[in-house]
Amino acid sequence: DAGITQSPRHKVTETGTPVTLRCHQTENHRYMYWYRQDPGHGLRLIHYSYGVKDTDKGEVSDGYSVSRSKTEDFLLTLESATSSQTSVYFCAISLRVFDTEAFFGQGTRLTVV
Amino acid sequence: SQKIEQNSEALNIQEGKTATLTCNYTNYSPAYLQWYRQDPGRGPVFLLLIRENEKEKRKERLKVTFDTTLKQSLFHITASQPADSATYLCALPLYNQGGKLIFGQGTELSVKP
Repeated sequence: DAGITQSPRHKVTETGTPVTLRCHQTENHRYMYWYRQDPGHGLRLIHYSYGVKDTDKGEVSDGYSVSRSKTEDFLLTLESATSSQTSVYFCAISLRVFDTEAFFGQGTRLTVV
Repeated sequence: SQKIEQNSEALNIQEGKTATLTCNYTNYSPAYLQWYRQDPGRGPVFLLLIRENEKEKRKERLKVTFDTTLKQSLFHITASQPADSATYLCALPLYNQGGKLIFGQGTELSVKP
């Protein structure tokens, strides 16, 4: 299995509180992604990174920010969690974007109450 | 914007039959297309990648076709088995957007013995 770890695996938080999810890789892959998965919507891209300090928005980036200060870590922050952000969050990594596969973490189940 | 559509309805087939899943895309001309499998509670796992000039690619009981005129990819599982039951997702890397990797919503396949 690719060396990719998400933490925490499960979290329950209250509306309005900040939350940070961590994705850690040991593969030295350049590209890292954060997705959320909800019933009926498949995987939707939140933010992605194409290098250290290089990030860009995905299709559902509102309410989320990211940081990548070193190759191995990609952090996703919910500045003020809302119930609509209750979801399963997946991190993925890829060596190159076009002709190689992406490897996914185990997912983080976040519940905002 | 680019969009990927997969059959939203679950596909139910009998063991031993061929399962065919469809992935349609719009507003884009991809050079590559990927297929992933996802089991409940787990992250997606890469299955196959096909290039625009390959038209068809095989791996054991899996076959993927890529029709750039129809803007469609078909994913076939021959001699299907109950263990093939899962959700299958297609994905497009967007070469004109610096590395975004977007997914369809997935099609749930159920193979009955």
